Amino acid sequence: DAGVIQSPRHEVTEMGQEVTLRCKPISGHDYLFWYRQTMMRGLELLIYFNNNVPIDDSGMPEDRFSAKMPNASFSTLKIQPSEPRDSAVYFCASSFRWGGNQPQHFGDGTRLSIL
Amino acid sequence: DQQVKQNSPSLSVQEGRISILNCDYTNSMFDYFLWYKKYPAEGPTFLISISSIKDKNEDGRFTVFLNKSAKHLSLHIVPSQPGDSAVYFCAASNRNSGNTPLVFGKGTRLSVIA
Repeated sequence: DAGVIQSPRHEVTEMGQEVTLRCKPISGHDYLFWYRQTMMRGLELLIYFNNNVPIDDSGMPEDRFSAKMPNASFSTLKIQPSEPRDSAVYFCASSFRWGGNQPQHFGDGTRLSIL
Repeated sequence: DQQVKQNSPSLSVQEGRISILNCDYTNSMFDYFLWYKKYPAEGPTFLISISSIKDKNEDGRFTVFLNKSAKHLSLHIVPSQPGDSAVYFCAASNRNSGNTPLVFGKGTRLSVIA
């Protein structure tokens, strides 16, 4: 079975450019999460969706960050304009019926470097 | 304000010995705890979980212990193998008050030395 698929795996771009990260969750999963991992802050939840609807975006650091989920099989996280402090590894995860013994399944992440 | 703390950034253990990874939490409302393992350049993968109604859960070489009064949980790996070398994240959530997000610790890097 295919897991959570993220693209690109690596992104290097200059400050001020728009960055779009993509995620395909596991088919049938109804929750989708975006995380950011840094050395200082560890794994932070940015936003999560249930049935394509954003539920909690309180973790999104600034208005420069936005996320969409136009359908059950695709989500994007966009940063515009990007800044060097946005450099991190961004993970997407999905789960089925959150709660019970339903752990989140993570993609392999996008390593983002803003120069 | 870190609700889930893994105070040891790293741990080295000899192959065949026991690895003990610790995690403390501050939110007494947490009722479900998980451990994830992460290899370099990969996403975290679920390892084992425990509900607050239990104090121990075992799965092969991996055992998680929960001490609710101390707000502490630990992951035991016996015997440790070189393939266990990874970063281990502790996570917690409150399932009884709706679907609250997982809160992760910063991770502990385990190195198992052959």
